[in-house]
Amino acid sequence: AQSVSQHNHHVILSEAASLELGCNYSYGGTVNLFWYVQYPGQHLQLLLKYFSGDPLVKGIKGFEAEFIKSKFSFNLRKPSVQWSDTAEYFCAVGDFGNEKLTFGTGTRLTIIP
Amino acid sequence: SQTIHQWPATLVQPVGSPLSLECTVEGTSNPNLYWYRQAAGRGLQLLFYSVGIGQISSEVPQNLSASRPQDRQFILSSKKLLLSDSGFYLCACAIRNTEAFFGQGTRLTVV
Repeated sequence: AQSVSQHNHHVILSEAASLELGCNYSYGGTVNLFWYVQYPGQHLQLLLKYFSGDPLVKGIKGFEAEFIKSKFSFNLRKPSVQWSDTAEYFCAVGDFGNEKLTFGTGTRLTIIP
Repeated sequence: SQTIHQWPATLVQPVGSPLSLECTVEGTSNPNLYWYRQAAGRGLQLLFYSVGIGQISSEVPQNLSASRPQDRQFILSSKKLLLSDSGFYLCACAIRNTEAFFGQGTRLTVV
């Protein structure tokens, strides 16, 4: 069965701190991996995606994620967070062809000015 | 790029009444379509997905059903709503090996 785990439910950081949000998935085949962000009162938007190639993926707003196949992980990172990064972050995995697209339970990130 | 139309934005229905939420897609053909329910602390729960007309896969056995009568139309239904069906429902669309795009969502309150 395809599943996604985000172990950090709520993360609180000060501005300029470094960020790493964990994402682990369970699926034996080829996967497509995504991180989405939902700012307060807004809809989901794509941060970055991985389909193939370089396992280090760069997205918008200074975010990046690294696909480690051996660990079934796709952790999200940002070297220095800003107050405007306060949002909820969702990791998602799609099987080959994105026939089934499964999301994690999300991580709420709060940045303290 | 794809545009997803989802309506209504909000809906208040009594327990035991039927439900029909509609989602239509513009700007693409033969998309994969999804219905999710978003709840605080539970993320996006995949309810149904479809890879083609008449093809529906159910992820969570419950009081809901889905249908895809046309290539770009995806409908979420219930014959009799329960209180526990209240929530925020999102329709999404993805093409093979692209990201998913989401509709505006429907806030359903069952009273």
